[in-house]
Amino acid sequence: AQKITQTQPGMFVQEKEAVTLDCTYDTSDPSYGLFWYKQPSSGEMIFLIYQGSYDQQNATEGRYSLNFQKARKSANLVISASQLGDSAMYFCAMREVGFQKLVFGTGTRLLVSP
Amino acid sequence: GAVVSQHPSRVICKSGTSVKIECRSLDFQATTMFWYRQFPKQSLMLMATSNEGSKATYEQGVEKDKFLINHASLTLSTLTVTSAHPEDSSFYICSARALRDTDTQYFGPGTRLTVL
Repeated sequence: AQKITQTQPGMFVQEKEAVTLDCTYDTSDPSYGLFWYKQPSSGEMIFLIYQGSYDQQNATEGRYSLNFQKARKSANLVISASQLGDSAMYFCAMREVGFQKLVFGTGTRLLVSP
Repeated sequence: GAVVSQHPSRVICKSGTSVKIECRSLDFQATTMFWYRQFPKQSLMLMATSNEGSKATYEQGVEKDKFLINHASLTLSTLTVTSAHPEDSSFYICSARALRDTDTQYFGPGTRLTVL
């Protein structure tokens, strides 16, 4: 069964607008961590934001925020005030406690237009 | 910050040769390093998990004799693709978990392997 689902293969947004990238996950473990990474065309994976399953508040890092809805098992990434440099692939990932590895979604390609 | 380097960034080799890729954590000690492979327009696929001083744990379907992993120190892991074939051409990327921060994996810039 797919543990991480990103249903949007591609998203378009205009510069300075906000955009939400969807991510749903599946786990029976009460303790887990959720991550978002950005992969520009150069290939490097850039860590953006982390949300722990027990965190009371939604994580925020600058223009990035994570809309964490535990009951719905969703962890959407919100990018505010999009910039041209935000154009990249975005991957959602999960790590279950007791497992060291990250499980990645299939990614969403974001294109920011002027 | 937490910086992970990989070397080489690109390598082209002939079929049948072996290629070694290095992954280093530059400013932190890594308890665990991970090796991923990514085919064009696809997600990252975990190949193996390596803990310093012990044998790597390979994911199902990954040939351990073909993809040799050594994690000799808390800052260095190597992946050797032995007897490479064109189907091994891919983007290989490593990541490391810091001793000080076990929640986050920091990724290297990746290595593009092309086997002719």
